Amino acid sequence: DTAVSQTPKYLVTQMGNDKSIKCEQNLGHDTMYWYKQDSKKFLKIMFSYNNKELIINETVPNRFSPKSPDKAHLNLHINSLELGDSAVYFCASSPGADYGYTFGSGTRLTVV
Amino acid sequence: DQQVKQNSPSLSVQEGRISILNCDYTNSMFDYFLWYKKYPAEGPTFLISISSIKDKNEDGRFTVFLNKSAKHLSLHIVPSQPGDSAVYFCAAYSGGSNYKLTFGKGTLLTVNP
Repeated sequence: DTAVSQTPKYLVTQMGNDKSIKCEQNLGHDTMYWYKQDSKKFLKIMFSYNNKELIINETVPNRFSPKSPDKAHLNLHINSLELGDSAVYFCASSPGADYGYTFGSGTRLTVV
Repeated sequence: DQQVKQNSPSLSVQEGRISILNCDYTNSMFDYFLWYKKYPAEGPTFLISISSIKDKNEDGRFTVFLNKSAKHLSLHIVPSQPGDSAVYFCAAYSGGSNYKLTFGKGTLLTVNP
């Protein structure tokens, strides 16, 4: 029974396309996150929602738009994909960082 | 601007010996530190954490040490096991940051049988 699930696991798409990555957590956590792991392996925060409210919005191109229909879901929509968007995107949830995040298994996005 | 640094990209240790993974930070506002472990094609898994009011936290084979004056923390794994082979990420956050974790680049630990 997966705690944080992301779909799809792999996504290959052409430049200019629009794509979405979905994330769902069944842990009852109030806070959810999107992180990006780039080619240099850094994990960097993109967005965070607490109970459907955006609380962290890092310097991310506005082609990226998160959407949280309820506190168990946080989806990431990307418009006009560029080559530099190729990365692994991780969704995570947390009841509070003292307990750490629970991460999904990641979505490897490849833009060709 | 790397606020959390893991200067060793890799570490190789014999099974049964101690593994010591190091992490340095520059942001003096950080007051909570965490270690995550990551296997290939999986998400990072929370391992152990420490608050800035402590200098040591232990959980089974894993111990994290914090030296605030040096802005340095380390993760000790004793004894190391082949199943510990993974990438270890150090992370930190400051109170009031909405639990925004800043991660280091990770250290690949290989435990040889």
